Amino acid sequence: EVHLVQSGAEVKKPGESLKISCKASGYKFTSYWIGWVRQMPGKGLEWVGNVYPGDSDTRYSPSFQGQITISADKSVTTAYLQWSSLKASDTAMYYCVKNEAVAGPAAYFFDSWGQGTLVTVSS
Amino acid sequence: EIVLTQSPGTLSLSPGERATLSCRASQNVGSKYLAWYQQKPGQAPRVLIYGASSRAAGIPDRFSGSGSGTDFNLTISRLEPEDFAVYYCQQYGSSLQTFGGGTKVDIK
Repeated sequence: EVHLVQSGAEVKKPGESLKISCKASGYKFTSYWIGWVRQMPGKGLEWVGNVYPGDSDTRYSPSFQGQITISADKSVTTAYLQWSSLKASDTAMYYCVKNEAVAGPAAYFFDSWGQGTLVTVSS
Repeated sequence: EIVLTQSPGTLSLSPGERATLSCRASQNVGSKYLAWYQQKPGQAPRVLIYGASSRAAGIPDRFSGSGSGTDFNLTISRLEPEDFAVYYCQQYGSSLQTFGGGTKVDIK
């Protein structure tokens, strides 16, 4: 059974850095794209970007390009989402998501979701 | 970027009634690159339908998807109490996958 277990909630100040994680298990980590979806308070879903752990190929939504970095560590089957300088507008729930297709395209539907990591950025 | 417009924004129905949710794309997304998700309060979304009309594992057959090109529907044949939630469509026919704004199905 696939499990995506995310790191806990974070409270940060504007300008601070942050790295959240998603520990994957129950499938071959290097063969599926894994990524992140943002949900701002009371709002809908937005695809942030994803990474193919097999070769570290990374794709970003233009809305997030340059603002965040997505990475994966095969040795610990964990994906990461990081910010170098947080803004108040980064306040949201961030979900880790796994693509359904083995060795498939970067854009696909998500068959597994993590429990979410709430990031709050406030002075 | 392909924009997905979901309608209505809110659908107020009673248990046992039929629900039809719409998702319209600004460009052709192909015949099978459309998924539907359900999100309940405080929970992560889960996939219901992929490929426009294929049910995901474990999804009851009261959920069905249809459509192609730019117009897609999610139908819930008879609403159960646990079906009151928010539903999102997602297209993955382009390299930039996008979600619709969601339809909330609430109890009338």
